[in-house]
Amino acid sequence: KAGVTQTPRYLIKTRGQQVTLSCSPISGHRSVSWYQQTPGQGLQFLFEYFSETQRNKGNFPGRFSGRQFSNSRSEMNVSTLELGDSALYLCASRGGSGTGGALGYNEQFFGPGTRLTVL
Amino acid sequence: AQSVTQLDSQVPVFEEAPVELRCNYSSSVSVYLFWYVQYPNQGLQLLLKYLSGSTLVESINGFEAEFNKSQTSFHLRKPSVHISDTAEYFCAVSVQTSGSRLTFGEGTQLTVNP
Repeated sequence: KAGVTQTPRYLIKTRGQQVTLSCSPISGHRSVSWYQQTPGQGLQFLFEYFSETQRNKGNFPGRFSGRQFSNSRSEMNVSTLELGDSALYLCASRGGSGTGGALGYNEQFFGPGTRLTVL
Repeated sequence: AQSVTQLDSQVPVFEEAPVELRCNYSSSVSVYLFWYVQYPNQGLQLLLKYLSGSTLVESINGFEAEFNKSQTSFHLRKPSVHISDTAEYFCAVSVQTSGSRLTFGEGTQLTVNP
């Protein structure tokens, strides 16, 4: 099976612009989660989508949004970019419903990330 | 809310020496525990996990971690490290009923020197 793919891998934008990042999960996985990784704040959860519905959301401003399509591919959008949005954005996909117990636990698989630089 | 504290931001060791990377967590509900590894310019890879049962869990490349409920710890150990183990290691927790959301520690950079 192909792994989680993220496009683009690198992106440079200027303050005030908006950006869209894409994540294609492993085939058959319906859960996609997004994380932001920065040297100062570490790894922080942005949101999770399951079957086209946002299931969980982290503590980020409304400038950060996402969506999931019927083929489980997901996009996240950041509007009005700020310098502090410079980060590695990781997505992770997961099989199953994601709410089973220990016996039904499905591992999350991470993509290589998109490195966003805001100038 | 949950939180994870990794007690060492950097751990330098010599090749073939033992290593322990420390992780403590805080949660008012039951959690699953994980260690992830990140090599330069790559995403995260799951190293090992504790879901239930035996408190000692092992990975295929010689790492092990022990869940200690009373001390709310999940330290990662390896008896003999290799140069190729150089990477950043993240401890994480997930609330058992909250789907996929992971709360990560700040990370520990393990550097193995020859």
